[in-house]
Amino acid sequence: GEDVEQSLFLSVREGDSSVINCTYTDSSSTYLYWYKQEPGAGLQLLTYIFSNMDMKQDQRLTVLLNKKDKHLSLRIADTQTGDSAIYFCAESRDSSYKLIFGSGTRLLVRP
Amino acid sequence: GAVVSQHPSRVICKSGTSVKIECRSLDFQATTMFWYRQFPKKSLMLMATSNEGSKATYEQGVEKDKFLINHASLTLSTLTVTSAHPEDSSFYICSAMTGIQETQYFGPGTRLLVL
Repeated sequence: GEDVEQSLFLSVREGDSSVINCTYTDSSSTYLYWYKQEPGAGLQLLTYIFSNMDMKQDQRLTVLLNKKDKHLSLRIADTQTGDSAIYFCAESRDSSYKLIFGSGTRLLVRP
Repeated sequence: GAVVSQHPSRVICKSGTSVKIECRSLDFQATTMFWYRQFPKKSLMLMATSNEGSKATYEQGVEKDKFLINHASLTLSTLTVTSAHPEDSSFYICSAMTGIQETQYFGPGTRLLVL
């Protein structure tokens, strides 16, 4: 995951918004993804964005992509305790569909 | 839809034995499956790409004779850790890709502990 970087930890209060950030280095990325991993479980696809888009909204989730700065963010509105998990951003390049993962951001939601 | 299962969910084995992990796409056909390894509190590392009916493509640094991958059908891929050692202990996760959406759906993972 050395080409994709994330901050390690984020703590928010229940009901607040959470913003998880990700930076990547490869400008040839085609799709960028956000996955959620709960303890001891696999990864759940939350949302993805095509590289020619700036923003995508899906219910409480908003993804922003700044292609110039190679910066991706995930905003979770009205964060709930059930949102506590590790969030991974990932990029896929060219047509191989291989995913390069960031190191993951652990989100802790305080009651 | 797009459910991926893994079996077993957890396995403990003795050093020197081989362990097989299954990855199944339950409600779709997956021409491509991926195998990842995740160390504690670390990211996922892609080990290999498995295509149905052909040999797997391994990432640099992954021993193909150590980690045998077989993708015998459009719904099943297996990873066999041969002659397991304690350093092979890890969380192994597979994913399966639908050809239409080109999105990877992940299995729940298999935790391997080699004693």
